[in-house]
Amino acid sequence: GAGVSQSPSNKVTEKGKDVELRCDPISGHTALYWYRQRLGQGLEFLIYFQGNSAPDKSGLPSDRFSAERTGESVSTLTIQRTQQEDSAVYLCASSLVAAGGYNEQFFGPGTRLTVL
Amino acid sequence: SQQGEEDPQALSIQEGENATMNCSYKTSINNLQWYRQNSGRGLVHLILIRSNEREKHSGRLRVTLDTSKKSSSLLITASRAADTASYFCLLYYGNNRLAFGKGNQVVVIP
Repeated sequence: GAGVSQSPSNKVTEKGKDVELRCDPISGHTALYWYRQRLGQGLEFLIYFQGNSAPDKSGLPSDRFSAERTGESVSTLTIQRTQQEDSAVYLCASSLVAAGGYNEQFFGPGTRLTVL
Repeated sequence: SQQGEEDPQALSIQEGENATMNCSYKTSINNLQWYRQNSGRGLVHLILIRSNEREKHSGRLRVTLDTSKKSSSLLITASRAADTASYFCLLYYGNNRLAFGKGNQVVVIP
């Protein structure tokens, strides 16, 4: 079966432009997570979706970041007015129902964003 | 946000040796997971240990959890070159709060 897929794999943009990153979770996974990983660093939690519940946006670093998910399918992470510090790999993961976090997360390959 | 702290940050060992890395935290957790990240396979789940468990094994992996010390250790026995990777702990707190640790880089020298 297909794993988590993300597109594009690489994105180079100019400072001030908006970018949209896409994540296709594993079919049947109700939970979806977005993370950011700067070069040589750990993963920074951004946002979490669980089914049709309101997403947990507590990790979004600024109001330039937003994410949407339709039902239990595709999610998009949008970064408006990109800044150079937004350059990072953006990773998406999905899992079965996430209550208590007792399910492993399956990660996509990530989107490498470079803001010039 | 609550951030796990792994220690040591970087480890270089000979193939066949054991590798141990730690993850500490400050607030009670529901469970803790370990993940491996390398360039070939991205991030992969290794093992999950619940807050009421003290030790778990999976193949050459052994995870311990000491809730009184708020720390966990991951032991890789008989290391192989393919174990070269970064290892991260993922902490699950209540109310679906979670955080990854900073990671340990492990280099296994053939």
